[in-house]
Amino acid sequence: EIVLTQSPGTLSLSPGERATLSCRASQSVSGNYLAWYQQKPGQAPRLLIYGASSRATGIPDRFSGSGSGTDFTLTISRLEPEDFAVFYCQQYGGSPLFTFGPGTKVDIK
Amino acid sequence: QVQLQESGPGLVKPSETLSLTCAVSGGSISSSNWWSWVRQPPGKGLEWIGEIYPSGSTNYNPSLKSRVTISVDKSRNQFSLKLSSVTAADTAVYYCAREMLRFGELLKSFDCWGQGTLVTVSS
Repeated sequence: EIVLTQSPGTLSLSPGERATLSCRASQSVSGNYLAWYQQKPGQAPRLLIYGASSRATGIPDRFSGSGSGTDFTLTISRLEPEDFAVFYCQQYGGSPLFTFGPGTKVDIK
Repeated sequence: QVQLQESGPGLVKPSETLSLTCAVSGGSISSSNWWSWVRQPPGKGLEWIGEIYPSGSTNYNPSLKSRVTISVDKSRNQFSLKLSSVTAADTAVYYCAREMLRFGELLKSFDCWGQGTLVTVSS
C-alpha cells in the first residue's frame, strides 16, 4: 500500500498569505497520478489538481501543484477567505488503487 | 453537467448489510468512466471503497473486499454499493464519485462527487 503523509496537520494563516502544503508518498507515485482536493465542512471534496500539476476545470490560478516521485506540493499563492478548508492529497497505483492522505487543515490565523 | 446523488437507509443495524445507490443524471453511466464509492467516518479522512466500469468490471479495496459488492444498472443509469456484516466502524458519510476522463484518458482522480449520505450503524 502506498501511504501518503501530509504536513503540516494544521496551517494557520491570514487572508492574502501564501500557503504551502506537502504530501509525501511512501513509494514513488506512478505516472504522477497525484491529485489534490479541497473539502469544506458538510461538503463533498472538490478536485483542485490532477496529474500533480494540472488545475481542474474552474479552479483559480492561485492554486498550483508541483512535484514528482514521492514529494508533492500544493501552493495557494494568496489565500482568499473562501479557501480555508481541509485539503487532501490522493494517489493512484498499487493496492488499494486509490489512497488519500490524512489531510491538512488551513484555518484563519 | 453530470450530477451524482446517493440514496439509501441512514441507519443500519450491526451485522446487517448496508445498501446504497448512486443515481447519475446529466450524462450516461455507460460513458468510459469508472465509478467509485468513497467513505469518510465522522471527523476523519477519506477511504476509497471500490469502483465499477459500465461493463461490470470491478476493483475493490482489499481491506473491504470480502464484504463489498458494487454493481451497475445501466437501464436506470445508476450504480450501487452493498457492504455486509457492518459494525460501528462502518459509520461514515458515503460518497459516490466519477473518475475523471479527458480526451479519452482516465486521469485517476475524481472530478464529480455526490453530496454524500451519512450511514450510522447502530442497534
